[in-house]
Amino acid sequence: GENVEQHPSTLSVQEGDSAVIKCTYSDSASNYFPWYKQELGKRPQLIIDIRSNVGEKKDQRIAVTLNKTAKHFSLHITETQPEDSAVYFCAASRGGNTPLVFGKGTRLSVIA
Amino acid sequence: GAVVSQHPSWVICKSGTSVKIECRSLDFQATTMFWYRQFPKQSLMLMATSNEGSKATYEQGVEKDKFLINHASLTLSTLTVTSAHPEDSSFYICSGGSDTDTQYFGPGTRLTVL
Repeated sequence: GENVEQHPSTLSVQEGDSAVIKCTYSDSASNYFPWYKQELGKRPQLIIDIRSNVGEKKDQRIAVTLNKTAKHFSLHITETQPEDSAVYFCAASRGGNTPLVFGKGTRLSVIA
Repeated sequence: GAVVSQHPSWVICKSGTSVKIECRSLDFQATTMFWYRQFPKQSLMLMATSNEGSKATYEQGVEKDKFLINHASLTLSTLTVTSAHPEDSSFYICSGGSDTDTQYFGPGTRLTVL
């Protein structure tokens, strides 16, 4: 089955700096890669996703890159703000009505 | 985006009792619903996948007789934790999917078993 590895487990950055979180996956049939932000006690919130036919996607301060050959994808947050502090999860699936396999999460702290 | 609700949002029960959690898709038909469990400071782990009108598919290590899942309609799935024990205390989250890749998560149910 799919295995998703996520690094780092914790990340502290100064406000205004960039943050990068990296994930690798093992199932070459995976073709959908979402990123979630989760605040304590709340549901995961989809912040950006990418499909395997695209190499990069950007939405304001957030971008995701995908390297299908190497089976890794990354989340980039620029101009970080204190409200970006949360736990971020990457995930992978085969798309459609197939389950998501999550990485272990990255606790991001943005220091004002 | 589509909305998924969960009820109750939190529940405290005594060891040995059963607890039912409801997951509803409010504005779309969820042909598939997923149930995840999240222990403190850990990731979401898939427990089971359920398709409307058929038996759920459980992940390895998840006891199907303990975690009963029913998906009787395209808008409602239920998870019943039978004979709950303290080690079942966790955050249970459902998600619904239709015909796209995106899954819509419910707000979660925090279960505490005393």
